[in-house]
Amino acid sequence: TQLLEQSPQFLSIQEGENLTVYCNSSSVFSSLQWYRQEPGEGPVLLVTVVTGGEVKKLKRLTFQFGDARKDSSLHITAAQPGDTGLYLCAGNTGNQFYFGTGTSLTVIP
Amino acid sequence: EAGVAQSPRYKIIEKRQSVAFWCNPISGHATLYWYQQILGQGPKLLIQFQNNGVVDDSQLPKDRFSAERLKGVDSTLKIQPAKLEDSAVYLCASSLAASGGVLGTQYFGPGTRLLVL
Repeated sequence: TQLLEQSPQFLSIQEGENLTVYCNSSSVFSSLQWYRQEPGEGPVLLVTVVTGGEVKKLKRLTFQFGDARKDSSLHITAAQPGDTGLYLCAGNTGNQFYFGTGTSLTVIP
Repeated sequence: EAGVAQSPRYKIIEKRQSVAFWCNPISGHATLYWYQQILGQGPKLLIQFQNNGVVDDSQLPKDRFSAERLKGVDSTLKIQPAKLEDSAVYLCASSLAASGGVLGTQYFGPGTRLLVL
């Protein structure tokens, strides 16, 4: 059973396009994180969101935590080939920590 | 600052054999995690240590997997005996302890890629 479902699972877009990745759950999370993982490497943290409704921006990336703290989204503006990778949401509920199912993004030059 | 170290990077074994992975976390990080990641999927937490105590091992297949963190620093993860479905990347991560329910940053090692034939 996957507590954090991501959509879409795969995404292939042209350089310069915008995209949004979703992370959904029926559970409430104390905080939620987004990671990016490149082939052959471990995930690297992009952002942590804590407050329901919170929006954080990191250059061309915009992260939002849902008001009820059950979902989150990642929006990338003007995607670049360097954005290619596996995007993972992750969160803790109670004492347990979960990663999402993952979204594999390919940006074609 | 040195990152999380893992060894070996690759391992190929036959089913029913044993295998062990080693992890050295970032100095001063009290929390250590072991994950199993199937290709293209999100990592699945196997076990979480706080110093040398187990915080969560609810998803560890205890009939074949074991892990220890002696002296609260290095950790080893063992599989005995291995099955075909254990083929995956095993990731180790470490972090400072979470505060007030807010997740700390986990720093990941490069992982050990296991192939069971």
